[in-house]
Order: sequence, then structure tokens, then C-alpha cells
Amino acid sequence: GQQVMQIPQYQHVQEGEDFTTYCNSSTTLSNIQWYKQRPGGHPVFLIQLVKSGEVKKQKRLTFQFGEAKKNSSLHITATQTTDVGTYFCAGGQGGSEKLVFGKGTKLTVNP
Amino acid sequence: EAGVTQSPTHLIKTRGQQATLRCSPISGHTSVYWYQQALGLGLQFLLWYDEGEERNRGNFPPRFSGRQFPNYSSELNVNALELEDSALYLCASSLWSTGTKLYEQYFGPGTRLTVT
Repeated sequence: GQQVMQIPQYQHVQEGEDFTTYCNSSTTLSNIQWYKQRPGGHPVFLIQLVKSGEVKKQKRLTFQFGEAKKNSSLHITATQTTDVGTYFCAGGQGGSEKLVFGKGTKLTVNP
Repeated sequence: EAGVTQSPTHLIKTRGQQATLRCSPISGHTSVYWYQQALGLGLQFLLWYDEGEERNRGNFPPRFSGRQFPNYSSELNVNALELEDSALYLCASSLWSTGTKLYEQYFGPGTRLTVT
């Protein structure tokens, strides 16, 4: 079945450094979604990418969807302590609302 | 607008017992998803219900089951509990948008199930 791999599993940065997490699917995706889960909280939707090569920005966050629609990345510029949490990617397949989640990247930021 | 609600917040059971977890989706959402989040294993897809029917299930044994009621709320049942069933169980709801093809999932706070 479809698998979504996410790396790294953990990332520790100093405040102000950049951070990137990568997501790779074993199959072509119709879309990819990103979620953030704060410590002790539940996943919260960040964004959805649909088009091949799509790039979207939300303030310091940049999301990319690969040309082949099999990989994606989330880049955070100049991390802040408020960025801590686990970032999940989730791949969707056409005609289905089922999402396959990656295992997440846990980000910690040292002030 | 009220978000996704789940009950109970915490549930403690002993091995072999049955657990029932409940979820109420956002008003107007017809799809409900259940996930298991065990330590270090990310979000494992359990079940997906839409319009009262089970649409898909993840790689879990049959003792994990559920249903969706006419008001779109949902129940997850776990029979013959095992120690490794201890986890946070998250429910999410979504509404398919044919226009934007967006179906972001809104998660509830989860039920922490502990099996002793």
C-alpha cells in the first residue's frame, strides 16, 4: 500500500536557524497536506498543495510539492520558540479522502 | 463554531476489557476518521466513515471497529484490549469541497487510552 516517509525524525536547532523537513511517497499523490502538532496538543492543518511544482508561503514557512508529485518539503526560516512541535505531512490519492500520514518530524528550538 | 469533540478525555482499562470512544464532528462535516497515535509511531490510520458507511480501514485487527450514526457522530470500539493498545486516539472530521478539492482534517483533542 501507499507509504509516506518523512525525515528527519527529530531536529534540534538554535533559535534563528532554518529548519527543513522532507516527505516522500511511494506513489504519486493527488495532493499533500501539512499539519503541526504542538506538545500535548492535536494536529492542526497548515496547508494543502495540489499542483505539480507548487510552492506556497505562510510568513516564515515555505511549502513545496515536487514536480512528480511524490515528494514535498516544509522549510522554516529563522525558527522561533513558537515553532516547536511535530510537523506531519499527509499524502492524499485522487478520488479518496483518505490521507496517509508520515511519522512526523519533531522540532525543538533552543532559545 | 464548535470544533471536533471527543469523549472521554482519559480512559483506563485492563487487558481483555472493551473500550468505547466517542467523537462528534464539526457541524456539517460528514466524514469522520480515527487515528491511533502511539509513542514514536506517528499517526496510524484506523478507520474512515462517511455518510454512515465505513469507507476504508487501516491495517488493524478486527477487534478495532466502529460506526457512524445518522447525526455523523462516531464511535470507536476496541475489544479484547491488549497492553499495546495504549495510545492517544484521535478523531478528525472533514468536508469534501468539490470546488477547491480541499478536505483538510480537523482533529479533536483525543482520548488517552491506558491499558493495564
